[in-house]
Amino acid sequence: AQRVTQPEKLLSVFKGAPVELKCNYSYSGSPELFWYVQYSRQRLQLLLRHISRESIKGFTADLNKGETSFHLKKPFAQEEDSAMYYCALTSTSGTYKYIFGTGTRLKVLA
Amino acid sequence: DAMVIQNPRYQVTQFGKPVTLSCSQTLNHNVMYWYQQKSSQAPKLLFHYYDKDFNNEADTPDNFQSRRPNTSFCFLDIRSPGLGDAAMYLCATSRDYRVSDEQYFGPGTRLTVT
Repeated sequence: AQRVTQPEKLLSVFKGAPVELKCNYSYSGSPELFWYVQYSRQRLQLLLRHISRESIKGFTADLNKGETSFHLKKPFAQEEDSAMYYCALTSTSGTYKYIFGTGTRLKVLA
Repeated sequence: DAMVIQNPRYQVTQFGKPVTLSCSQTLNHNVMYWYQQKSSQAPKLLFHYYDKDFNNEADTPDNFQSRRPNTSFCFLDIRSPGLGDAAMYLCATSRDYRVSDEQYFGPGTRLTVT
């Protein structure tokens, strides 16, 4: 079955501490992976995508095909990083429909 | 400068009373999506349009219908809402069918069924 798993519903860290939001996937084929973020009272928006190999707002994510993971990391958390984070995958052909995880709420404490 | 607009933001309907949610976009994107998101769950794709071509997900109930009269607008019709249809409904767009095309989301419509 095609699935995205985010095992943590809530992750609380102190400001300046490292952050790792976990994402594991199950997909028969070669997927493309994304992280979307939803800040308080804002709409869901793209944070980063594996295909771009980019770092956004200090966040990075590495696709590990052996472990079928795409964890989101940041070395030093900031209070403005507090938000809901969703991992998503799509196929690399066809209609590119997203499968989302259930999300992790990140709280960065002062 | 809102790019994907959803109206209304909050909708209350009665059990069994048809309801329509609307989505409009200023991006001129080819693809429009409707997602259902229940509390603490992942957004779940209901259907999507590529231009006027409608693509239904296999497990979307027949109670859910959609219309896209033009590029800018897309509607979600729930013919006979049940209590289980209470959820946040998200509209999204993407430029095309390319893996590099990100999806742009609207703010959502929260549907309550009484």
